[in-house]
Amino acid sequence: EPEVTQTPSHQVTQMGQEVILRCVPISNHLYFYWYRQILGQKVEFLVSFYNNEISEKSEIFDDQFSVERPDGSNFTLKIRSTKLEDSAMYFCASTQGGPSGYTFGSGTRLTVV
Amino acid sequence: QKEVEQDPGPLSVPEGAIVSLNCTYSNSAFQYFMWYRQYSRKGPELLMYTYSSGNKEDGRFTAQVDKSSKYISLFIRDSQPSDSATYLCAMGRAGGGNKLTFGTGTQLKVEL
Repeated sequence: EPEVTQTPSHQVTQMGQEVILRCVPISNHLYFYWYRQILGQKVEFLVSFYNNEISEKSEIFDDQFSVERPDGSNFTLKIRSTKLEDSAMYFCASTQGGPSGYTFGSGTRLTVV
Repeated sequence: QKEVEQDPGPLSVPEGAIVSLNCTYSNSAFQYFMWYRQYSRKGPELLMYTYSSGNKEDGRFTAQVDKSSKYISLFIRDSQPSDSATYLCAMGRAGGGNKLTFGTGTQLKVEL
C-alpha cells in the first residue's frame, strides 16, 4: 500500500538552529500538508500546499516556517530558528483531494534543547 | 467553545465488547468526517471517512454522523487487544483546501 515517508524519524537540535524536515508524499497525490502534535495534545494543522504554492496556513505557521517542494517527489518543512516550544511530532500528509486516501506519514519527532 | 470536542478517556473495555467513541463539533461548515487510529508515537492511520449523515460500515467498524446534532460516532464491534490505540476524529470543509481539524483523541485499551 502506498505510504508517506518522513525523514528523519527523530531530530535533536539546539535552540536557534535551523532544521529541515523531509517528506515524500504518495506519488499521485496533489495536496500536501504539515501538521504537528505537541506531546499529549491534539494534532494541529500547520500548512497546506497545492499547485506549488501555499493554499492555507494556520496562525502557528509564522515567518520562521517555510515549505518547499524542490522536485517532483520531496516536500520539506523548514524551521529557521527553532524554539523550545517547537518540540513536537511533525506529520506530513497527502491526498489526491478530499478525505479519500488522506494519508499521514509516521512523523518526525523534533526535540529542541 | 472548541470546534471539535472529544472525550480523552482513557476508556478500558474487555475483549469482545462493543466500543462507542464520540465527537461533537460546533462548525456547521464541516462536511466530511473521518476517524483515525494512532498508536503511540506513530502517525494517524485513516480508518473511515464519510460525507453524509447516517451510518457507514466497514468490517467491525461503523461510523455514524448526525449533522443536525453535530455529533459523530465510531463503533467497534468485537473489540480486540490490537484495537488498543488512540482514536482521533477529524473534520474538513469542502473547498477548504482539505485542512483537517482534529479532536484531542480518545485513548482505548481493550483488555484480555
